[in-house]
Amino acid sequence: DAKTTQPNSMESNEEEPVHLPCNHSTISGTDYIHWYRQLPSQGPEYVIHGLTSNVNNRMASLAIAEDRKSSTLILHRATLRDAAVYYCIGTSGGSNYKLTFGKGTLLTVNP
Amino acid sequence: DGGITQSPKYLFRKEGQNVTLSCEQNLNHDAMYWYRQDPGQGLRLIYYSQIVNDFQKGDIAEGYSVSREKKESFPLTVTSAQKNPTAFYLCASKPSGPNEQFFGPGTRLTVL
Repeated sequence: DAKTTQPNSMESNEEEPVHLPCNHSTISGTDYIHWYRQLPSQGPEYVIHGLTSNVNNRMASLAIAEDRKSSTLILHRATLRDAAVYYCIGTSGGSNYKLTFGKGTLLTVNP
Repeated sequence: DGGITQSPKYLFRKEGQNVTLSCEQNLNHDAMYWYRQDPGQGLRLIYYSQIVNDFQKGDIAEGYSVSREKKESFPLTVTSAQKNPTAFYLCASKPSGPNEQFFGPGTRLTVL
């Protein structure tokens, strides 16, 4: 599994963009980068995933560095509902696609 | 509606008793997973199953057992051998390939 490193916490203001960083220097060529988020007492929710190219969906954008050793989750306009713990995960190679969750980044959104 | 159900939402048991947590999915997903989460911590993988009648240990399988007799069901038994079973338990499922995992609402187990 690719080991990932994230800041423990970040703070943002409502309606401003948020850039959540993740380092994954040991990632292999076949490891995907997944992002999930979790609200208190709920199961995690998928946000986005990618391999090499930048990815966009209705929730967020994922910018992956050219050397793939880091990535950034971008929330274009933070809302109060985006306040959650965000997990950056490098999936193991092969067909298992196990997800190894770290402690993630606690995002606080100020009104 | 398609999704994953876990029951019950809250579960209380006396120390020394085995307890089985239910996880059902109607998404026709091949893979299913069980995670444990302790306060302030990330999720840790207990067991996972890629196909029916097959499952593998995750990172913290000791004191737990599972079965996968049907594609849609993946029950987890917390045995008396688990030293500290009080935790939030999450079940997930996933289709084949590098796709997202879908999580259930979780069961909060408290052992008294």
